[in-house]
Amino acid sequence: DVVMTQSPLSLPVTLGQPASISCRSSESLEHSDGNTYLTWFQQRPGQSPRRLIYKVSNRDSGVPDRFSGYGSGTDFTLKISRVEAEDVGVYYCMEGTHWPIFGGGTKVEIK
Amino acid sequence: EVQVVESGGGLGQPGGSLRLSCAASGFTFRDFWMSWVRQAPGQGLECVAKIKDDGTETYYMDSVKGRFTISRDNAKNLLYLEMNSLRAEDTAVYYCARDPHCNAYDIWGQGAMVTVSS
Repeated sequence: DVVMTQSPLSLPVTLGQPASISCRSSESLEHSDGNTYLTWFQQRPGQSPRRLIYKVSNRDSGVPDRFSGYGSGTDFTLKISRVEAEDVGVYYCMEGTHWPIFGGGTKVEIK
Repeated sequence: EVQVVESGGGLGQPGGSLRLSCAASGFTFRDFWMSWVRQAPGQGLECVAKIKDDGTETYYMDSVKGRFTISRDNAKNLLYLEMNSLRAEDTAVYYCARDPHCNAYDIWGQGAMVTVSS
């Protein structure tokens, strides 16, 4: 099975500063159709997960443009250009190329 | 509004059964694969089961194979999860999620809490 490893586990950030979350897969996520099915979700405290980014870098409708995703193969990154208070929560990457496997999550909190 | 709403959670006995339902609205349900994703208390997310748009294919995570059954009624826009031989480790919030393609879940329900305890 594919293993998805996120780092860091916890990310204290100052408001207005950037934040980056790394996600690594144990094997390539490139699908036979040429796409790479790496998705990022945000889960705010007490809420359901919300999709932010799909196919590595495509931002969902309504997601602020301070969120961006990039990467390829086995290494991926979610970047928040300037953290705001509403960004507090746990962020998960998920591979969808094979059986859907989620990373362990990164908790973003304000310093 | 595009949404999915779970129901049917609650307390189940070890070895017992529970059935979850998910009502879909605001989109053409029969056009989408659907999944059940669970989250144990304080833990991460894991996909429990998924079903093809027409219901002809189903897939399960190893630990629930033979115990859980995912099904759907496209005429009623309903998704189900029948859970048998419940174990304490099945305790979790169970989310219904829409899958537009390759597991990129774009719509999630509010979740249904399942607690397995005697």
